[in-house]
Amino acid sequence: KNEVEQSPQNLTAQEGEFITINCSYSVGISALHWLQQHPGGGIVSLFMLSSGKKKHGRLIATINIQEKHSSLHITASHPRDSAVYICAVSIAGNQFYFGTGTSLTVIP
Amino acid sequence: NAGVTQTPKFRILKIGQSMTLQCTQDMNHNYMYWYRQDPGMGLKLIYYSVGAGITDKGEVPNGYNVSRSTTEDFPLRLELAAPSQTSVYFCASRNTGELFFGEGSRLTVL
Repeated sequence: KNEVEQSPQNLTAQEGEFITINCSYSVGISALHWLQQHPGGGIVSLFMLSSGKKKHGRLIATINIQEKHSSLHITASHPRDSAVYICAVSIAGNQFYFGTGTSLTVIP
Repeated sequence: NAGVTQTPKFRILKIGQSMTLQCTQDMNHNYMYWYRQDPGMGLKLIYYSVGAGITDKGEVPNGYNVSRSTTEDFPLRLELAAPSQTSVYFCASRNTGELFFGEGSRLTVL
């Protein structure tokens, strides 16, 4: 059983579309993280949140602690958004559980 | 700041060889981690450290060793490489906030 589940696994969108990636978790957490990994590239942190909502440019992340669910939204998607998006949760003891990632392809 | 620096980026090993993946961070982070990433799987924790001189096993430590003699450095040693250790390895660090990752090291064992 995975502590962190993401959906969908793969997503193809047309440029300009609104995109939602979902993350559900089953453990008590101190925070939830959204990460981005470009093909063949490193991993960068997009958001760290423990409640409510955060926004950076066209990216919005929300979390519902009671439902143990988070969403990552991308507005006005662009081909440069094509990447793997990884949901991770941090638990007591500074350890993390990671989802398997959502592979996003945005077509021009 | 360079962030988290990993070397090498690519390496091919023969079965039974040994090597060390280097990881250095310049952010004075206490926590450092080594993960491996296999296709279709989430990142798996190999070893972690909560500060200089302190290390502990993660989920998949067999075949690996680490040391943390300074705050900055957290090398990962592979002894007697096996094909099952073919993977992409990531070093990461943090204090209490977001995780910072290195660029990754792609290791192939033939």
